[in-house]
Amino acid sequence: DQQVKQNSPSLSVQEGRISILNCDYTNSMFDYFLWYKKYPAEGPTFLISISSIKDKNEDGRFTVFLNKSAKHLSLHIVPSQPGDSAVYFCAATPQGGSEKLVFGKGTKLTVNP
Amino acid sequence: IAGITQAPTSQILAAGRRMTLRCTQDMRHNAMYWYRQDLGLGLRLIHYSNTAGTTGKGEVPDGYSVSRANTDDFPLTLASAVPSQTSVYFCASKAQPYMNTEAFFGQGTRLTVV
Repeated sequence: DQQVKQNSPSLSVQEGRISILNCDYTNSMFDYFLWYKKYPAEGPTFLISISSIKDKNEDGRFTVFLNKSAKHLSLHIVPSQPGDSAVYFCAATPQGGSEKLVFGKGTKLTVNP
Repeated sequence: IAGITQAPTSQILAAGRRMTLRCTQDMRHNAMYWYRQDLGLGLRLIHYSNTAGTTGKGEVPDGYSVSRANTDDFPLTLASAVPSQTSVYFCASKAQPYMNTEAFFGQGTRLTVV
């Protein structure tokens, strides 16, 4: 059973517009959430995270929103740039941290010039 | 440059052969992990180690073994490779296992079992 779900395998946006990547989770014990970006032939790189005590975390063009009641988080990228084209993975870990970081299947973002 | 190094970068392996994927980190991180990435399945945890001398099973441990003799190295061994182990393997590390911090990933090993 997929505990972290990214239901959109792909997303295409125009340069300069907003990209919104969504993630849903089923395990109510998750309380720390991360987004990773992955380019082809490279390892995932950490992008931004959010703790369950917050509903928003912002870092430059990247903002993550968390809706605990809906068990939903989203990553907003604005403005989107062609260099943002990559696969984005949502990940979650239970309360108190854990060795088990659970990943979604990823969403491939394409930003068109 | 500090980080995680994986070797080899890619490998074609005959089914039934033994193979060890190497992973070394120089960040003195206590926790280390092995994931496999398969198309449409995301990253799945194979094995982990919270500190040198300890290891644990992840979501998909069958057919794999690990050891953690020291802080820096975390090799993953396939005792007798099968085609279903064709995948991209990522090693990762985190400063402490039970802290809400990010994990850092290596560049990956692309393994093809034929």
